Parts: sequence; structure tokens; C-alpha cells
Amino acid sequence: AQSVTQLDSQVPVFEEAPVELRCNYSSSVSVYLFWYVQYPNQGLQLLLKYLSGSTLVKGINGFEAEFNKSQTSFHLRKPSVHISDTAEYFCAAGIYGQNFVFGPGTRLSVLP
Amino acid sequence: DADVTQTPRNRITKTGKRIMLECSQTKGHDRMYWYRQDPGLGLRLIYYSFDVKDINKGEISDGYSVSRQAQAKFSLSLESAIPNQTALYFCATKGDRSTDTQYFGPGTRLTVL
Repeated sequence: AQSVTQLDSQVPVFEEAPVELRCNYSSSVSVYLFWYVQYPNQGLQLLLKYLSGSTLVKGINGFEAEFNKSQTSFHLRKPSVHISDTAEYFCAAGIYGQNFVFGPGTRLSVLP
Repeated sequence: DADVTQTPRNRITKTGKRIMLECSQTKGHDRMYWYRQDPGLGLRLIYYSFDVKDINKGEISDGYSVSRQAQAKFSLSLESAIPNQTALYFCATKGDRSTDTQYFGPGTRLTVL
């Protein structure tokens, strides 16, 4: 069975600093990978997704993620964060014929 | 207008009461899902439906039931609410392809006293 791990439950970072949120997955078959963001009191919205092709994927709000098949990782990065990036971030994996599996989430807190 | 709507947005109820959470979507998707979110546990799948006649249990279906009234509507019921069902509940929809994105509603915050 596939699983998604987000090792960091909370990541505090100062405004304008870079950030990386880690995501690892386990699957014996090809996966499709997604990052979602949940702002306070809102539902989840898609940040970016990897389906195939270039391993560097760019998303909304200046975020990007890199798919690394050998390390089974899909880490999310932003070179300079803003206060408005404070939110919870979820990594998810999809496999053909199966439902999405979500990681436990990482709470990003951007400090002034 | 939002593509996926949920009602109510907030609900406080007492142990033993029957509760229904409703979800509607305008994306024309066949697939709909109910999740609950608890701190530190991410999203856990309660029930999902691939079309009006196809309803399936997720990983935590005990204590819940669902109804798919139409392609656009998918309701979640708690027949007899208990305090550990206090959580944030999300409805989601998705196209048929594995590569399709899931679209989420704004959530319903349920508190069972």
C-alpha cells in the first residue's frame, strides 16, 4: 500500500527566508504527486502537481517542487516566504485505480 | 460562486443526535469524497462515490453513512453523534482520471458535546 510521509509537523521560518517542506512517498508503482495548501478556515487548494516529464514543477504563489524518483521524494520549496504563506501544507499521492493518500500535513508559520 | 459547497459551515450538537452534512458541486464530476481532518492526522477518507450507484467505504466509515442523491450532491450522516466525531469535515470532487486534481469544499466544523 502506498503511504505519504511529511516528517516536519511544524516549520517556523522568518519572512523573506527560504523554506523547504519535505514529502516522501512509498509506492512500488508510478505515482502522481500533489501539494495542497490550506489557509486558516478554508478548504484545501492545489498548489502544484507532478504527473510526468520535467521533475521540477512550478506552482502558484512562487512555490515549486522537485520530484526525485530515486529518493521517493517530492519536496516543496519557496525561495522567499511571506506572512501570507502561513498555512498548512499537504502532500498527496495518487496511483492509477486507487484513491489519493494524504500526508499528515506540515504547518508553516512565517514570522515577521 | 464556489465549485464545491458545504452546509452547514459550523455545527455544534449533542451526543446521540443525528446530523447531516451536505455537499454540492458544479464541476460535473462523477467522483465525490468525504474526509475528516484531525490535527496531526491529515485527511482520512470516510466514504467515496464514483457515481450515483457506486458508494464505497473509506478507511474510517464506522459511525457514518452517506447518500448520493444526484451527481452533484453527496451527503454525510452521523446517525448518533459521539464526541470523538468532533472534527473538520471536507467534501471533495474529482474527475475520472488518476491524474485529475481533487477539488475541496470549504469544510464543516462539527463539534459534538
